[in-house]
Amino acid sequence: DAGVIQSPRHEVTEMGQEVTLRCKPISGHNSLFWYRQTMMRGLELLIYFNNNVPIDDSGMPEDRFSAKMPNASFSTLKIQPSEPRDSAVYFCASSKDTDYGYTFGSGTRLTVV
Amino acid sequence: DQQVKQNSPSLSVQEGRISILNCDYTNSMFDYFLWYKKYPAEGPTFLISISSIKDKNEDGRFTVFLNKSAKHLSLHIVPSQPGDSAVYFCAARIGFQKLVFGTGTRLLVSP
Repeated sequence: DAGVIQSPRHEVTEMGQEVTLRCKPISGHNSLFWYRQTMMRGLELLIYFNNNVPIDDSGMPEDRFSAKMPNASFSTLKIQPSEPRDSAVYFCASSKDTDYGYTFGSGTRLTVV
Repeated sequence: DQQVKQNSPSLSVQEGRISILNCDYTNSMFDYFLWYKKYPAEGPTFLISISSIKDKNEDGRFTVFLNKSAKHLSLHIVPSQPGDSAVYFCAARIGFQKLVFGTGTRLLVSP
C-alpha cells in the first residue's frame, strides 16, 4: 500500500497566483480530509469528503479556497488568488468509515512570496 | 476558539525517564481521543487512542489517561527514548469522523 500520496511536496509561488494541491487517498478509504498546519493553530481541518461528497467545509478560510473530489481516488485543494498568509503545510488524510483515526500524507509545504 | 489545547509547546526529557504530555479540551461532546506523532517532513502518524468511556489505555511504553471531569488527557511515555523525539498532537473526535487537533508539543529526548 503506497499510503496517501500528495503532490507537490513543495510549492513556492508568487502572491496572486493560483495554487493547486493534489491528493490520492488510500484505495478503499471513503473519507478524505484536508488539513492545514501552522505554528499558531496547529492542525486545522479545512474540509472533508465522504464518498466524494463534501460533508463539512466550515474550516475553509474564505472564498479563495476551494476543494473538489471528482472520484474516489483523487482530490484537489485550490487557492486563487494566493496570499502570503496562506503559507503553511497542507496535509491530506484518508480513512474508512470504520476507522477512528486517519492516515496522513506527507504534506505539501506551500510558500507564497 | 481552540477546543483542544496543548499548553506546552515543548518538553525536554532525559533518556530513560518518563515523558508526560498534556492536553485539555472544552467540548464534552468529544467521544474519542487520539495521539499522533509527527517527525519532520512527514505526516502525523497514529500512536494511541482512548474511548471516552474509559480512563486508561496502554500500549507498550505508551499510556493514555483520560480525566473526563477535568476534561484532561495525558500521554505517558516510559521509558523515553531518543527516537521518541517528535511533535505530538492530541486529537478529539466529534460527529462523524471529524477530528479536532491541538497545536502540538515538541518532545526532545536527550541521551
